[in-house]
Parts: sequence; C-alpha cells; structure tokens
Amino acid sequence: QSVLTQPPSVSAAPGQKVTISCSGSSSNIGHNYVSWYQQFPGTAPKVFMYEDNKRPSGISDRFSGSKSGTSATLGIAGLQTGDEAHYYCGTWDSSLSAVVFGGGTKLTVL
Amino acid sequence: QMQLQESGPGLVKPSQTLSLTCTVAGGSINSDNYYWNWMRQPAGKGLEWIGRIYIRGTTSYNPSLKSRVSISVDTSKNQISLKVNSVTAADTAVYFCARGTPYYYDSGGYSIWFDSWGQGTLVTVSS
Repeated sequence: QSVLTQPPSVSAAPGQKVTISCSGSSSNIGHNYVSWYQQFPGTAPKVFMYEDNKRPSGISDRFSGSKSGTSATLGIAGLQTGDEAHYYCGTWDSSLSAVVFGGGTKLTVL
Repeated sequence: QMQLQESGPGLVKPSQTLSLTCTVAGGSINSDNYYWNWMRQPAGKGLEWIGRIYIRGTTSYNPSLKSRVSISVDTSKNQISLKVNSVTAADTAVYFCARGTPYYYDSGGYSIWFDSWGQGTLVTVSS
C-alpha cells in the first residue's frame, strides 16, 4: 500500500543495464524531487541518487536517474553482482505533507 | 564524517510507549541546513517515514502515526528522541534515524533526501 509504486523485482545479467521504475502522482513525483536508496539485508539504506538525477560523491556513474511526469527511473549500467540489493525511491508528498517511499525493488544479477 | 546511532529498549509491551534516542557524532545537530528524521522498516517490508524535527523545534509527522508520535531534540546532548504511544505488534520494526537535506526550488518543487543514517535498532512489541 505504498504511495509510490515500484516493481517488486527486476533482474538482468552481469554487464547488462537495468531500469527500476517508480510511479507516483502529481502531488509527489509530479511536483517534487525524487531520491533513490540502496539497501543490503540487515543494513541501513544508502542514498544513490537525489534531486531526480544527481549522484552523491562516491557513487559510480553507472547509476543514473531520470524523471518524466509522475514517474521516475533509476538506471544501472554495467551490472555487477555487488549491485544486488533492494532499491527504494522516495519523495515529498505535498498533499500528505509527508515523505513517501516506494515499496522497494529487489535487484537480482543473474 | 557524521555518524548516527540509535539506542533504546529492544522489547516493549503492547499499549506501552516506545522510546528511542539517536545520538549524532562527528558534527553538530545545531544546523539550519538539515532536518532530523525517524524512519522504520518492518521485517521484509519497505521504509516508512515517521516524522522529522527542525533544529528550531518545528516538527512534521506521518499522518498515519501523528496521533501517537512525538519527536524532540536535545542540542546539549546532540540527540534526537522518538516516542510512540500505545504500541501494538504492528509497531514492531527496525527504527532508523537519518539526516535530511531539504531544498526548496523557485519553481515550487521540494527536494528532501537522506544522506546519513544510523545503523537501525530493532524494536519488538510483545508481551
């Protein structure tokens, strides 16, 4: 029942590119900026993208972000086994006056 | 580098109050540039934002939890605190504190992202 909708899982082979979608509405993604987080089991999330398409210092340029209308996308190129993790999108919802997250997407590198 | 560390009881009885503290090290909590947030994550599920506090005392809460939650700050100890009243098993989760960086754009869009997180602490609600 997350406000933002993500696919539960995506998979691709090493070296390939994968995209993870995050769908929302005009009160959240359509008006505000999206951030993305990587999380390994038993650890805290780590920001991988902010303000739709900006990478924090130290994050590989294999990761990219984009947004169109009420949907955002995280792209990961040159997949590595170390990229296997859960990825979450988040943003501010102006109607709820709250931070909202997607339900998370599990990335499997086959 | 800033470090955040959550602490508090790992077991709380139903109907009681959950109390957690987040201690910030490696930097002052007393900055106009950040919000201090609490999030939680039930086992095997996604992230849920609980609420935030600005250093000047302004708070915002998730509407779904607002009636039971309070967040406060103690600048002398560099700590943020969370209280959740009348807990049930549904409040069992890993609780995280995180620093949020906000930015308001002239276009009206708002950015909030979380660049520093605590390691999380598991709180179980059970009798």
